[in-house]
Amino acid sequence: DQQVKQNSPSLSVQEGRISILNCDYTNSMFDYFLWYKKYPAEGPTFLISISSIKDKNEDGRFTVFLNKSAKHLSLHIVPSQPGDSAVYFCAASALGYSTLTFGKGTMLLVSP
Amino acid sequence: AAGVIQSPRHLIKEKRETATLKCYPIPRHDTVYWYQQGPGQDPQFLISFYEKMQSDKGSIPDRFSAQQFSDYHSELNMSSLELGDSALYFCASSLGGLAGAETQYFGPGTRLLVL
Repeated sequence: DQQVKQNSPSLSVQEGRISILNCDYTNSMFDYFLWYKKYPAEGPTFLISISSIKDKNEDGRFTVFLNKSAKHLSLHIVPSQPGDSAVYFCAASALGYSTLTFGKGTMLLVSP
Repeated sequence: AAGVIQSPRHLIKEKRETATLKCYPIPRHDTVYWYQQGPGQDPQFLISFYEKMQSDKGSIPDRFSAQQFSDYHSELNMSSLELGDSALYFCASSLGGLAGAETQYFGPGTRLLVL
């Protein structure tokens, strides 16, 4: 059973517009959430994280929103750039456990 | 800044052979994690070590074993390789690994192909 779900396998956005990537989770024990970006043949690169005590975290062009009641988080990238084109993974961990549970990823394509 | 180093980057083995993957964490990181990513799949957690002791165990087959050494590098030993073991193997490291709120930084991965 997939505990972290990214229901959109792909997303296409024009350069300069906002990209919104969504992630849902089912395990109420998750309390730390991360977004990773992955290029082909490379390891996941950490982008941004949020703990369950917050509902928003911002770092430059990247903002993550967490809605605990809906068990939903989203990553906003604004403005989107062609170099943002990659697969984005949502991941979660539970307090006291070091392991990350990943979603299946969303491929973002930003066109000029 | 120094990142997680994995070696080798590519490995080709035949069925029933053994393989050893190595991971060198970011300096001062004390926790190492191993993940397996099959084609078109999300990374699946295998095993982790904190201060040279196994801290968590995931879906690691009994044919696989791992350890973390005194210099914090880790090795994943895979025996009796099967075709289904063909995958990308990622190592990640973090500073502290027991609370569940540490950011894990990933290496570039080792691509294993079993023929």
